[in-house]
This record gives sequence, structure tokens and C-alpha cells, in this order.
Amino acid sequence: DAKTTQPTSMDCAEGRAANLPCNHSTISGNEYVYWYRQIHSQGPQYIIHGLKNNETNEMASLIITEDRKSSTLILPHATLRDTAVYYCIVVVPDTGANSKLTFGKGITLSVRP
Amino acid sequence: AAGVIQSPRHLIKEKRETATLKCYPIPRHDTVYWYQQGPGQDPQFLISFYEKMQSDKGSIPDRFSAQQFSDYHSELNMSSLELGDSALYFCASSYPQGYTGELFFGEGSRLTVL
Repeated sequence: DAKTTQPTSMDCAEGRAANLPCNHSTISGNEYVYWYRQIHSQGPQYIIHGLKNNETNEMASLIITEDRKSSTLILPHATLRDTAVYYCIVVVPDTGANSKLTFGKGITLSVRP
Repeated sequence: AAGVIQSPRHLIKEKRETATLKCYPIPRHDTVYWYQQGPGQDPQFLISFYEKMQSDKGSIPDRFSAQQFSDYHSELNMSSLELGDSALYFCASSYPQGYTGELFFGEGSRLTVL
């Protein structure tokens, strides 16, 4: 069973903010929300993660709803190089065993000039 | 900064042949993961190793085996290759101290089975 659901695709104009939604209504209390992206045929790349507070780094911002059932990844100023498949993943971070990521159907973001 | 190194980057094999993919994790990373991504598919977890022991197993065919060596590099061995094994194979590594759940992926090895 998929733990997250994302739209299949979306697009945005270059220079505008891209808001990528993710639903994770069955998330458990110790699961974090992770976002990765995969630019065509390259290895997936970590973007950001959070538990319940909003997070921001040099790449993006992560907004998690108070009930933690959904989140939004925000790319503040999308560029053409941000065109990629974005994966929202919920997982309990753990050293060693049980620390794998399970990729579901991500969202394809197309940034147009 | 050093990244995860995978070799070879491209490999072409015939059906029923064998292939070996290698993964060199980031220094001091002790956990290695293998993923398979078929054409138009999402990455699928195959197997992982923590401190040279198998830590988790996913949808890895019985024809495949893997191990992690004392220097933490890992090898994925694939035998009796089938056309359906044609895919991108990614290796990722992570480190235990200050673990944040972030996996660092290599650029992948593209296997083509003819």
C-alpha cells in the first residue's frame, strides 16, 4: 500500500514558485517526511525532510500541516534545471537496518521558460 | 566532496550471461543500498548492507546476489541475465553518526541485456 499520494504531474513558469503537494494521511508519529528528486536518469537527490515543523534549506522549503497528513514542497524560484520527478517519502530514519527508502509514484515537475 | 562511485557506468550483456556491478560508498559510510530502475519505472529497492551484513532485502531475484566487503564497497552479482534485467542500477550509501535518513546516490550503472 502506498504511504503517500502525489499528483502525476504539474508545471510552472521559470522564476515562479513551484508548490508540490503530498498526502500522507496514514503517517505514524515517528515517521518523517522526506523529499527526493530525480533528474532524468540521474541518481535520486535528497532535498529536505521534516517531522512536524516547517523546514527550509538552500534548496527548498517544506510545509507540513498541523495534523501531519499532508505536506508541500516549495521551490521558491524554479529554474529549468528543477525539471525532475519529485518523490515524497515517509520513513522512520534508522541506522543500519530498516533505513531504506521506498519510492512510490512521484510527481513530474516541468518548468517552462 | 567525494560521492558514491559506481562502476561500470554502462554494461552490455547477452541473455544468460553474468554481470557484476560495483559500488564504492562515500568514505566513512557504512551502509549501502542497491536499487533497480526499469525503463519508465520508479526505483525499486533490492537489498542493503550495514556493517558488512545484509540488513534488508527487497524484490531482489534469486539470480542476484550481493555483498559488502571489509572496505565497505559492495558488489551486485547478476547471473542468468534476462531481457527484463535491463535497467539502471543505483547504489546509495548513508552514515550512522548524526543519521538524518539522507541517502546519497551514485549516478547509476546502466545494464543492457540483448
